[in-house]
Amino acid sequence: GAVVSQHPSWVICKSGTSVKIECRSLDFQATTMFWYRQFPKQSLMLMATSNEGSKATYEQGVEKDKFLINHASLTLSTLTVTSAHPEDSSFYICSATPGTGDEPQHFGDGTRLSIL
Amino acid sequence: QKEVEQDPGPLSVPEGAIVSLNCTYSNSAFQYFMWYRQYSRKGPELLMYTYSSGNKEDGRFTAQVDKSSKYISLFIRDSQPSDSATYLCAMTLNSGNTPLVFGKGTRLSVIA
Repeated sequence: GAVVSQHPSWVICKSGTSVKIECRSLDFQATTMFWYRQFPKQSLMLMATSNEGSKATYEQGVEKDKFLINHASLTLSTLTVTSAHPEDSSFYICSATPGTGDEPQHFGDGTRLSIL
Repeated sequence: QKEVEQDPGPLSVPEGAIVSLNCTYSNSAFQYFMWYRQYSRKGPELLMYTYSSGNKEDGRFTAQVDKSSKYISLFIRDSQPSDSATYLCAMTLNSGNTPLVFGKGTRLSVIA
């Protein structure tokens, strides 16, 4: 149980394109999901907390107008990178917690974003 | 000083060895401690989850938390080549619905 699925797993696109990444909890409902970014040989850095039915909470230094988060249902959160540039190339990973929140976070397999 | 310190390695051990991985932290308010394993180009996979101080064992893995020293450890017994991965420690103030703070990760190679 506690499976988190991300799609797509890898995307390559031209500079200026907007890219949408989906994060789904397959066998549980999640009122809260988290989005992280990981650069090569670096650890995961929290970008934002996604709350179902309300606005996301962004970490300091993360542009909310560039990284649009929508958490429209209890099983789906989306991250849209708008007008992506090469410096946005990274590994984006989402996580979610099943149940009432007392369980640990489970992660998706990540999305590798490459902007040419 | 970073909130969570973890030696990035790399750490290379022979098959069958006991592996010890460690993290230190500065925020005494952390209550929940986790170890994740991450293979290349994959998301982190939860290995161990502990609350407050103490030990927890699951198969070949043992997690230890010493809150007085702000120090956590993961031991891997009878290490296997399939254990070769990056191991990330993580911790949080409250339960699963609060953000995690990660260590940098230790890259482990188990040589057959």
